[in-house]
Amino acid sequence: DAGITQSPRHKVTETGTPVTLRCHQTENHRYMYWYRQDPGHGLRLIHYSYGVKDTDKGEVSDGYSVSRSKTEDFLLTLESATSSQTSVYFCAISEPLEMRRPFNYGYTFGSGTRLTVV
Amino acid sequence: QKEVEQDPGPLSVPEGAIVSLNCTYSNSAFQYFMWYRQYSRKGPELLMYTYSSGNKEDGRFTAQVDKSSKYISLFIRDSQPSDSATYLCAMSGRSTGNQFYFGTGTSLTVIP
Repeated sequence: DAGITQSPRHKVTETGTPVTLRCHQTENHRYMYWYRQDPGHGLRLIHYSYGVKDTDKGEVSDGYSVSRSKTEDFLLTLESATSSQTSVYFCAISEPLEMRRPFNYGYTFGSGTRLTVV
Repeated sequence: QKEVEQDPGPLSVPEGAIVSLNCTYSNSAFQYFMWYRQYSRKGPELLMYTYSSGNKEDGRFTAQVDKSSKYISLFIRDSQPSDSATYLCAMSGRSTGNQFYFGTGTSLTVIP
């Protein structure tokens, strides 16, 4: 998993409660991402980070916030969880696949967090 | 219209069959094309990647890109039960930066 650890692996929470998911990487990658994966929708980008304290929104950012205070940690917070946020959440890093083509990136994903909001 | 379209399947084939998985896309700026394999309850893992049009072969797997038709394919020869997984196509380009566009995935089962 290229040193990517997600925690927790599973979580059940109640509607309206805040939830924080953690992604930890050990290889000093600059770019980190949070995706959610749902049947029929595939992988959708929530937020990404391009450095400490540098983050930006993705396709489905409403209801989510992120923080990156250290290179190795990227946190995803559901401010007030809703049932529509029941999903599998994946963290990823990107790195070039070929040095001669610096825009040719590949993702390495963590093992995912399965979140159920009841 | 989605940027990337992929038939979700499911696809079920006998062991040894040739499998063809496909994606179409609409953004002509895509230059890098990838296939990810995802086993049940695991994260996707990069299987193959190609740059621009043409074919790339790696063992039993061949990735094919036709930019003129905006169509990419992954062929699996001599399919094995261990190939049973969901296959996702992904695309990016210089203008998309680090952002990838994923297909929804095709579920494949290879029956022994």
